[in-house]
Amino acid sequence: NAGVTQTPKFQVLKTGQSMTLQCAQDMNHEYMSWYRQDPGMGLRLIHYSVGAGITDQGEVPNGYNVSRSTTEDFPLRLLSAAPSQTSVYFCASTRDRVGEQYFGPGTRLTVT
Amino acid sequence: AQSVAQPEDQVNVAEGNPLTVKCTYSVSGNPYLFWYVQYPNRGLQFLLKYITGDNLVKGSYGFEAEFNKSQTSFHLKKPSALVSDSALYFCAVRGYTGRRALTFGSGTRLQVQP
Repeated sequence: NAGVTQTPKFQVLKTGQSMTLQCAQDMNHEYMSWYRQDPGMGLRLIHYSVGAGITDQGEVPNGYNVSRSTTEDFPLRLLSAAPSQTSVYFCASTRDRVGEQYFGPGTRLTVT
Repeated sequence: AQSVAQPEDQVNVAEGNPLTVKCTYSVSGNPYLFWYVQYPNRGLQFLLKYITGDNLVKGSYGFEAEFNKSQTSFHLKKPSALVSDSALYFCAVRGYTGRRALTFGSGTRLQVQP
């Protein structure tokens, strides 16, 4: 199993540009989540999904969109990048409410 | 709403000494509690979890954590620290009901001095 994969690993955007961060898992997990990690603030939940076709907002959803058309994939779209979105983004998946969460390697995004 | 507090930004301990990293939580109903570790420029690795049963949970790399329902705490412990334990540690909670995504604390940096 590849586990949770994320692409790209690094990305530099100009303010106003849009892009999609890709996330895929091959463990047939129902739950998938996107987090951003900023110094001193831990991991903050952006959006999450409890199954194909079902998504919900987390703590910091503004400026981001998600969709879940398949169990495997959970892309995160930045609509119009802003410097405040400079961060490290982690995708994660878990089997159910009691299962541990598996994390991807992260995407380091810089918005100039 | 569910939340996690890690009151210490950094914990310093000498190699060979016991270590404790503190975590308190707030959640409706029974909690599912987790500890993760992050080494520099790496993703997050699962250490251990509490779901139900024995309040003392054992995990990877010799770590353990004690669940205390009355104090709503889930402190991470290790009897003898290693320099290689130096990393960023995160506590997380998910409730039996409510939001099904994990909520994380702000993290505690553990520095183990030789």
